[in-house]
Amino acid sequence: NAGVTQTPKFQVLKTGQSMTLQCAQDMNHEYMSWYRQDPGMGLRLIHYSVGAGITDQGEVPNGYNVSRSTTEDFPLRLLSAAPSQTSVYFCASSLRPNEKLFFGSGTQLSVL
Amino acid sequence: AQSVAQPEDQVNVAEGNPLTVKCTYSVSGNPYLFWYVQYPNRGLQFLLKYITGDNLVKGSYGFEAEFNKSQTSFHLKKPSALVSDSALYFCAVRDRAGGFKTIFGAGTRLFVKA
Repeated sequence: NAGVTQTPKFQVLKTGQSMTLQCAQDMNHEYMSWYRQDPGMGLRLIHYSVGAGITDQGEVPNGYNVSRSTTEDFPLRLLSAAPSQTSVYFCASSLRPNEKLFFGSGTQLSVL
Repeated sequence: AQSVAQPEDQVNVAEGNPLTVKCTYSVSGNPYLFWYVQYPNRGLQFLLKYITGDNLVKGSYGFEAEFNKSQTSFHLKKPSALVSDSALYFCAVRDRAGGFKTIFGAGTRLFVKA
């Protein structure tokens, strides 16, 4: 029972590079989200999805894209990395709105 | 729009004393409220939730939280703190009007001194 799997765990990018953070869950959860965690700012919602084919913006969506072609996968794309995107990224999922979130182990991203 | 406020960046308490970590929220409708904890270099773990019903909810590791609709608060409490409770605590809110997205507070760091 893998839960929520995020890859990679660590990544270093140069300014302007693009990359995709992968997130997969094997619990058949409809709700999936991406957060970034920065010191003193808590977890801020980037994008979220309430089911396959449905995505919406969160609090800090600029510079990021998402898609949800399957229930299991919810990749986060950085279009042109900037130093301001240096952060720890968490993917999370839940079965229903009144259920807890299950979190991945996080991706530590540095943009130089 | 949804919002969550955790007014204290840090809470210090002596081991064995009661602890309270404060949370207030703003939503358009009826909220689903959650507390999560993050230990150093680890992901977030669920502590407890309020959906409906009894205003006092009990969760993991002896924690409980009190929902107060009139004050729009959901404070986390524990009768007797342990050194091992030292961690970063996050309050979170979810509601139908917000599309069921989950919004987190900025977090409160709890230090329990032996």
